[in-house]
Amino acid sequence: RKEVEQDPGPFNVPEGATVAFNCTYSNSASQSFFWYRQDCRKEPKLLMSVYSSGNEDGRFTAQLNRASQYISLLIRDSKLSDSATYLCVVNGGTYKYIFGTGTRLKVLA
Amino acid sequence: ETGVTQSPTHLIKTRGQQVTLRCSSQSGHNTVSWYQQALGQGPQFIFQYYREEENGRGNFPPRFSGLQFPNYSSELNVNALELEDSALYLCASSVGGTGNTIYFGEGSWLTVV
Repeated sequence: RKEVEQDPGPFNVPEGATVAFNCTYSNSASQSFFWYRQDCRKEPKLLMSVYSSGNEDGRFTAQLNRASQYISLLIRDSKLSDSATYLCVVNGGTYKYIFGTGTRLKVLA
Repeated sequence: ETGVTQSPTHLIKTRGQQVTLRCSSQSGHNTVSWYQQALGQGPQFIFQYYREEENGRGNFPPRFSGLQFPNYSSELNVNALELEDSALYLCASSVGGTGNTIYFGEGSWLTVV
């Protein structure tokens, strides 16, 4: 089993739609969680950290479910500019950050 | 932008050659890590440097080596290049300690022919 797993997609959604991605992790001792966004042929950029209580940043909401070992990202009112690959990142309290393979999102006009 | 700069941005090397990639970390960040990202994959951890010492390494062979300098900038060296080394190489900087946010540079695209 991979340490961090994501559905690669692509998720094709119309503008204005709500879309959600999940990411599962295998190490129950993992402590820090993040979502990064990566545009084609660019570097990953931090979208948001994921806190135990869940957190929201505008149209984006991240949730952590420790019991089931997954994190989620919800995007409301999708924009064309949201088209990108979304990377789930898990840190187990060591130097190592483990990335999922990413979920591709394409928002259609 | 993140303040992490990498050079060169693109390069082409021949199989068997050696390459050095460079990274300047964000001001105030004393930890640098390197990642390899092949097409269609997520970044894979190569190693991390903290205060000029390697303090963690991923599943990469010894021909991948690095350095960190007193100003916290870093180099990634790859010897005996193989075709499979073709990838985007990302440098990330952070403040020391675990679980802190890491910030990426724009990466170096390496093509091995």
